Amino acid sequence: DTGVSQDPRHKITKRGQNVTFRCDPISEHNRLYWYRQTLGQGPEFLTYFQNEAQLEKSRLLSDRFSAERPKGSFSTLEIQRTEQGDSAMYLCASSLASINTEAFFGQGTRLTVV
Amino acid sequence: LAKTTQPISMDSYEGQEVNITCSHNNIATNDYITWYQQFPSQGPRFIIQGYKTKVTNEVASLFIPADRKSSTLSLPRVSLSDTAVYYCLVGPQEGSYIPTFGRGTSLIVHP
Repeated sequence: DTGVSQDPRHKITKRGQNVTFRCDPISEHNRLYWYRQTLGQGPEFLTYFQNEAQLEKSRLLSDRFSAERPKGSFSTLEIQRTEQGDSAMYLCASSLASINTEAFFGQGTRLTVV
Repeated sequence: LAKTTQPISMDSYEGQEVNITCSHNNIATNDYITWYQQFPSQGPRFIIQGYKTKVTNEVASLFIPADRKSSTLSLPRVSLSDTAVYYCLVGPQEGSYIPTFGRGTSLIVHP
């Protein structure tokens, strides 16, 4: 499968714990995006990378959230001291940084904080 | 970024043609119009993209009038499997553009 893959697909954690999600983009894609989606809403942008550089972060990304993309390949999103409000689907997407391209999304990681 | 407005929900029946219209009054000259489809518990999937007039692929057609202030996604002969949320996005496809999603249109196809 050469699409965007995310791991794990589901994560249940207790409030206050740290969690880390992984995203493997399509190999030749130099852009990688993280989104968060709650029920009934569209995906909300969190942050994006071009190669290994994190170019933009949303104000939604509190200091408990951190994302990395070492070597411009896979990316990780870590949430520290999780809160119940962090429960959501976390989506990763990748694309080529060129004109007229589409973003390819993974199937997401469903986080439930109990 | 141009703001988009689309219906929150639509209902249809199998075999019918469905047209979902998106308004984007302040679309910029270099903006493209892109539609995504999202099934429950999956990430959005690109359907179609256009700049002006009409674009057609194996899944849908996209109609864009001359003033480009709106666009219509047309799904021919829908089936139950077309039940999904459809998002209209407007933005340039170069530079630091970040795909930005609204609430989309929830389409339910009935037997």
